[in-house]
Amino acid sequence: QMQLMESGGGVAQPGRSLRLSCLASGFIFTRHGMHWVRQAPGKGLEWVAVIYYDGSKKYYGDSVKGRFTISRDDSKNTVYLQMSSLRVEDTARYYCVRLGINGDAFDLWGQGTVVTVSS
Amino acid sequence: EIVLTQSPGTLSLSPGDRATLSCRASQSVSSDYLAWYQQKPGQAPRVLIHRASTRATGIPDRFSGSGSGTDFTLTISRLEPEDSAVYYCQQYGGLPFAFGPGTNVEIK
Repeated sequence: QMQLMESGGGVAQPGRSLRLSCLASGFIFTRHGMHWVRQAPGKGLEWVAVIYYDGSKKYYGDSVKGRFTISRDDSKNTVYLQMSSLRVEDTARYYCVRLGINGDAFDLWGQGTVVTVSS
Repeated sequence: EIVLTQSPGTLSLSPGDRATLSCRASQSVSSDYLAWYQQKPGQAPRVLIHRASTRATGIPDRFSGSGSGTDFTLTISRLEPEDSAVYYCQQYGGLPFAFGPGTNVEIK
């Protein structure tokens, strides 16, 4: 069945880096734009980044612009989020999300991976 | 950048009641690309409604969406205990794909 599985979360000190991965399965990966969405403990959802279906464009939320980089490897059905210069406020569960085709919104979510930034 | 506001913040209702959740955008949402998500504790969100009024696959017909432009509504016609959750609206007509702050629906 269609699935997104995130990995790579953990504990990092402020200023350090982490790379999240998201393995997609059960659907044609190259047809979909892929996003990252995060949720700080007890808070709402925050959109983080997108990479277009063909990798041609990438966009970021203001809070992570210049520090995070999204990429994809279609040969591995995987999308990545390289997080640098981490801040305490980046602590959150990070969800990998598929943008549906034809206006179907975020129609497939992973279970998320937890990032904790703490000294 | 579009900012979404949701009201009320919390809704406390009984099983069988009708729930009406509001989402207002700071500017018109392109192509009515407005979605509603449900999130239960410890779970990832799931899409209920996309394009303002289209139910996602497998969503019960007691969930309905309406509205256009800047004002949107999610209605749950007959609340069931399993509908206890936080509901988020999201615009995805233009970047950034902003989410609203959520409405917490409690079932008495």
